[in-house]
Amino acid sequence: GGIITQTPKFLIGQEGQKLTLKCQQNFNHDTMYWYRQDSGKGLRLIYYSITENDLQKGDLSEGYDASREKKSSFSLTVTSAQKNEMAVFLCASSTDSGNTLYFGEGSRLIVV
Amino acid sequence: GEQVEQLPSILRVQEGSSASINCSYEDSASNYFPWYKQEPGENPKLIIDIRSNMERKQIQELIVLLDKKAKRFSLHITDTQPGDSAMYFCAACPSSFSKLVFGQGTSLSVVP
Repeated sequence: GGIITQTPKFLIGQEGQKLTLKCQQNFNHDTMYWYRQDSGKGLRLIYYSITENDLQKGDLSEGYDASREKKSSFSLTVTSAQKNEMAVFLCASSTDSGNTLYFGEGSRLIVV
Repeated sequence: GEQVEQLPSILRVQEGSSASINCSYEDSASNYFPWYKQEPGENPKLIIDIRSNMERKQIQELIVLLDKKAKRFSLHITDTQPGDSAMYFCAACPSSFSKLVFGQGTSLSVVP
């Protein structure tokens, strides 16, 4: 079996600050995703990547950057943190889209 | 793009009874429909899925139904137990390489 590791588990930053979340997977999966989870709004896709150095925008990409430095890692940057962005950010991976997603434990963003 | 509506957002049932969650989608080309369960403090995990070449699938107490004509699919949990209490998310995947689109989630509580 494999594992997806998200760091940090909690990220506290100030309004306007640039903040980065990291995700590593050892499934050797091709596709990786970043989702944002807000209460009552389900899981909304921010960015995904189908291979190393690939980047595809999701429905919620504005205000975020992402980077797929290598197959096993995918990072997400909040370019200017806002208080309404406090949410849980979930990283996931799959062999390709339409197959099972394996999620990380989540990173909670707190903006003060 | 694809949109998925999920109802109800909150569901409370008596232990031993059945629970039903309904989802509808817009893109008639969608061909893969998974269901994820997220327990408190945990990440979402796949519990059952159905592809467009099937109308019904059952794994133990979980039953999923797919009505392609009506563009609806549903999850039925028979003989619910307290351990079934969790958030449930449906999702749909359009046929072209794309990403899963999730519903808004249903918070299920099974009470004694």
